Formats: sequence, C-alpha cells, structure tokens
Amino acid sequence: QKEVEQDPGPLSVPEGAIVSLNCTYSNSAFQYFMWYRQYSRKGPELLMYTYSSGNKEDGRFTAQVDKSSKYISLFIRDSQPSDSATYLCAGPRMDSSYKLIFGSGTRLLVRP
Amino acid sequence: KAGVTQTPRYLIKTRGQQVTLSCSPISGHRSVSWYQQTPGQGLQFLFEYFSETQRNKGNFPGRFSGRQFSNSRSEMNVSTLELGDSALYLCASSMGTEDYGYTFGSGTRLTVV
Repeated sequence: QKEVEQDPGPLSVPEGAIVSLNCTYSNSAFQYFMWYRQYSRKGPELLMYTYSSGNKEDGRFTAQVDKSSKYISLFIRDSQPSDSATYLCAGPRMDSSYKLIFGSGTRLLVRP
Repeated sequence: KAGVTQTPRYLIKTRGQQVTLSCSPISGHRSVSWYQQTPGQGLQFLFEYFSETQRNKGNFPGRFSGRQFSNSRSEMNVSTLELGDSALYLCASSMGTEDYGYTFGSGTRLTVV
C-alpha cells in the first residue's frame, strides 16, 4: 500500500465547475501537506501547503486537511481550461523531513 | 529571478552506458533534491543534498548517485543504465530549512534504448 493514495483520474469537468481533488494517507507521521500542479512537459509547481487540520484559501483554490480521517482535499472554484493539468498531493514525514512523499497525481481536464 | 535549471532537457542512452544530469538551483538555495517520475511509480525521491552533504536517500540501487558542489549546483549520475531507468528526472531546490518551499525544474527526460 502506498503511503499517499490518489485517484489517477482523468477527471473531466466543464468550465466553471467546482473541482474536488482528494488524497488519503496512511501514516500519522506526516507533518503537513502540499498540493502541486504539473503541466505536460513541465516540473511540478507548488500551489498550496497546509500545516494542520482545517481549510486554507488562496484565490480560487482551497486546501482542506482532516487529520482524524487522514484525508486531504483541494477544491478549485470556477475552473478554467488553463487549470487542466495533473495535480499531486505530497507531504514530508516527521522521521524524514527533507523527503517528500507524493501521491500518483490526478489528471484534470477542464472542457471549454 | 532565475528558476531551477536542469540540463540537458532530453537524453537518449543505450543500456549499459552511464549518464550525468545537472541541476542549477535558484540563487541562494542550498538544498537540492532529486526525484524520478515514471507513469507507473509516479514521483519517487532519490536523494537530497544540503551544503555538499547528502542528507537523505531514497530506496534506489547504488547505480544512482549524486553530489553537490560548493556553489550548490548538483549532479546525479546513473551507471550501467537499464531500460527501466527511462524516466523524467526532476530536481528541486529550496533554502534547506523547514519551510518546504521546493521549486522544481522542468526535468531531464532520459530514454534508455
């Protein structure tokens, strides 16, 4: 079992939809979590990170962490075709601070 | 501000050969991490260097090695290439403190034939 699980998709939505991307993790040793966006032929780009349970907003993006259920989510409001990319959740474990464990990524397609 | 630069962008090598990939971090960043990305395994951590010292290592065979120079530039080397080493190799740089502001380069696409 992978430490961070993520549905690979693809997830196809119409422009303007609210998108929900999710990850689950199995190890309580994760310190906090990040969401990365990766366009084709590019490296991952950091979108957001959250330290504790609860929500964090940044523009159209909201990251949510529920440590009791080991569930993390990224919501995208008013989705745009330019949001079409692969979204990766990741986190460092307390016992290995400088090593990120990534989910497999969810491919998102926003249709115009 | 220049980003993380990886060279070369694309590389084709033959089984059994060795390869060296280069990463120039963002100016002022002292930590460089390397990841391998494949469709089957996703992003997997190779190793991380801080101030020329390897601080963390992933679960890859000894054929994968790296180093960091005094100017924080890093290289990774893969010897005796296998077909399964075909992947996108990504480098990420950060200050090296626990702010986790990792910035990734665009990667080197290695194809082993």
